[in-house]
Amino acid sequence: AQSVTQLGSHVSVSEGALVLLRCNYSSSVPPYLFWYVQYPNQGLQLLLKYTTGATLVKGINGFEAEFKKSETSFHLTKPSAHMSDAAEYFCAVTGRSGTYKYIFGTGTRLKVLA
Amino acid sequence: GAGVSQTPSNKVTEKGKYVELRCDPISGHTALYWYRQSLGQGPEFLIYFQGTGAADDSGLPNDRFFAVRPEGSVSTLKIQRTERGDSAVYLCASNGGGTDTQYFGPGTRLTVL
Repeated sequence: AQSVTQLGSHVSVSEGALVLLRCNYSSSVPPYLFWYVQYPNQGLQLLLKYTTGATLVKGINGFEAEFKKSETSFHLTKPSAHMSDAAEYFCAVTGRSGTYKYIFGTGTRLKVLA
Repeated sequence: GAGVSQTPSNKVTEKGKYVELRCDPISGHTALYWYRQSLGQGPEFLIYFQGTGAADDSGLPNDRFFAVRPEGSVSTLKIQRTERGDSAVYLCASNGGGTDTQYFGPGTRLTVL
């Protein structure tokens, strides 16, 4: 069965500092991987996704993530945090066949300090 | 519409009551998913529709939960004899099928008193 682990339920960074949000997955075959962001009282918005091809994926708002099969990881990074990045971030996986339902991690709440 | 819409945005009910939550997917999207997000948790899969049929309902917690999509567009999640543990945000997502990105609605916050 697939699973997702997000290390750190809360992460605080200073404005302008590097953002690193960790995601590790467990799957018998390499899954499709996603990062979503959720602002308060809003729905989930896709930041980026990995399906095939280049393992470094660039998304919206300056975020990127790298798929590392050997480490079963898909960590999300941004070189310089903005106050507007404060939100909850979810990593998700889905299989390459079947119903394509998402398996989500428990989320990481990012706080950006002025 | 431009995105997935869900109604109502908030629903407060009493224990034991029946509730219906509605999802209006993006026009033309054949696949529709329901998820439940409890406080402090990530969304958990409930049910998946491909067209009018429920292709996977393995995430429904028990037989109090039921969902329909009679015309392959709008879907309704129905919860009978609500319990306090049903309190959560219920999210709906749609896509064109397969591994296409799922687009999420804003959710319905259900509170069972």
